[in-house]
Amino acid sequence: KAGVTQTPRYLIKTRGQQVTLSCSPISGHRSVSWYQQTPGQGLQFLFEYFSETQRNKGNFPGRFSGRQFSNSRSEMNVSTLELGDSALYLCASSGGARPDTQYFGPGTRLTVL
Amino acid sequence: KNQVEQSPQSLIILEGKNCTLQCNYTVSPFSNLRWYKQDTGRGPVSLTIMTFSENTKSNGRYTATLDADTKQSSLHITASQLSDSASYICVVGLSGGYNKLIFGAGTRLAVHP
Repeated sequence: KAGVTQTPRYLIKTRGQQVTLSCSPISGHRSVSWYQQTPGQGLQFLFEYFSETQRNKGNFPGRFSGRQFSNSRSEMNVSTLELGDSALYLCASSGGARPDTQYFGPGTRLTVL
Repeated sequence: KNQVEQSPQSLIILEGKNCTLQCNYTVSPFSNLRWYKQDTGRGPVSLTIMTFSENTKSNGRYTATLDADTKQSSLHITASQLSDSASYICVVGLSGGYNKLIFGAGTRLAVHP
């Protein structure tokens, strides 16, 4: 079974731009969660989608948004990028026989200049 | 405030030796505690997940313990290998929050030959 895939793997943007990241979960998984990882703050929860609905949300500004499609693929959008948005963005899917276990993708490394 | 604290921040051991990583948490309402291993440049991989009623769980050379009364957990690595070099992240799941997780900052483990 294929793992969680994220595209693109690396991205360079400038301040003020917007960016869209994509995540394809493991087949059959309906939950997709997004996380931001930075050296200073560690891993922080952004939001979780389940069956196209946002089920949980972390403490991030409204510039961070997401959505999930009917095939469970998810996208995350960050508008008006700031230097502090530079981070590794990870998505994780869960479901199937082990709904409590999250499987992480390799992440998208975003650099904001 | 929900917090997960890990110690030590970093650790160097020789190949073949054992080590124990610590995790203290103040998270409520508690649902479960997980340990993840994250290799550099990759997404975290789940090692163990324990609920309130479980006090130990093993995954190969990794053994996690949980004391829900003192809100402490440990991850013991036996007969370390070079491939154990990674960050180990303690994560506490919130009850009723589905996949809403609070992450520790991680312990960076380096295994030297």
